[in-house]
Amino acid sequence: IAGITQAPTSQILAAGRRMTLRCTQDMRHNAMYWYRQDLGLGLRLIHYSNTAGTTGKGEVPDGYSVSRANTDDFPLTLASAVPSQTSVYFCASSESSADTQYFGPGTRLTVL
Amino acid sequence: GQNIDQPTEMTATEGAIVQINCTYQTSGFNGLFWYQQHAGEAPTFLSYNVLDGLEEKGRFSSFLSRSKGYSYLLLKELQMKDSASYLCAAVDSNYQLIWGAGTKLIIKP
Repeated sequence: IAGITQAPTSQILAAGRRMTLRCTQDMRHNAMYWYRQDLGLGLRLIHYSNTAGTTGKGEVPDGYSVSRANTDDFPLTLASAVPSQTSVYFCASSESSADTQYFGPGTRLTVL
Repeated sequence: GQNIDQPTEMTATEGAIVQINCTYQTSGFNGLFWYQQHAGEAPTFLSYNVLDGLEEKGRFSSFLSRSKGYSYLLLKELQMKDSASYLCAAVDSNYQLIWGAGTKLIIKP
C-alpha cells in the first residue's frame, strides 16, 4: 500500500541525547517536510526538501537537522534533545512544493 | 507578517450545518487548503481552492474570496464522525504552507 511511514511511533528520551526520527515514502514524491504540532500552535514547519539532495529551513529549525540522500527517505535528527522539543512530529510529502501534502502517522516524542 | 486566523472551537448538532471561517494574510497567495485531523491522528486532505468561488465535494464545500483574504469550510448533514479539528493553510509566494492553529469541531447528538 502506497503511503508514508514514520518510526518510532512514540519515544521517551532523556535530555541531551541524540535522536533520529525516520520518515519513508513510496509515492515517489519530490517534496518532503517535517512539522511539529503543539497544542494551540498548529503545525509548524521545521525543515523541508523540494527534491532529493536539497534541504531548506522552515519556521522552527533550531536544534534540528535533516538530510535527503534519496527520494524516499527524510530523517530528522535532534543532536541534543531538550524538553522544549517535546511534541508530536509529522512527516509529509507532496509531488512538488505547493501540491497537496500527505502526512505520516506521526511520532510522539517526550524529552525529560 | 504572515497570519492565519480561525476560531479555536465550535459546537454543532448532529444533522445540522456548520461553517468554519478562515482569514489569511500572506506574502503572495497561491491557494488555500483545508485538512481534517481526528484526535491522535494525522491531518488528511479535504479541499484546495485557488480561484474565487465555491467548490462542493459531497457533504463538504469550501469557499474562497481572494480579494477579502477569506475562506470557509461548510459541513452539511453533520455526523458524529465529523468531530475533529479542521486546519486551514494558505500557500505563500514561496509555495510554503502557512498553517492556522485549527478549529476543534464538537458534534453533539
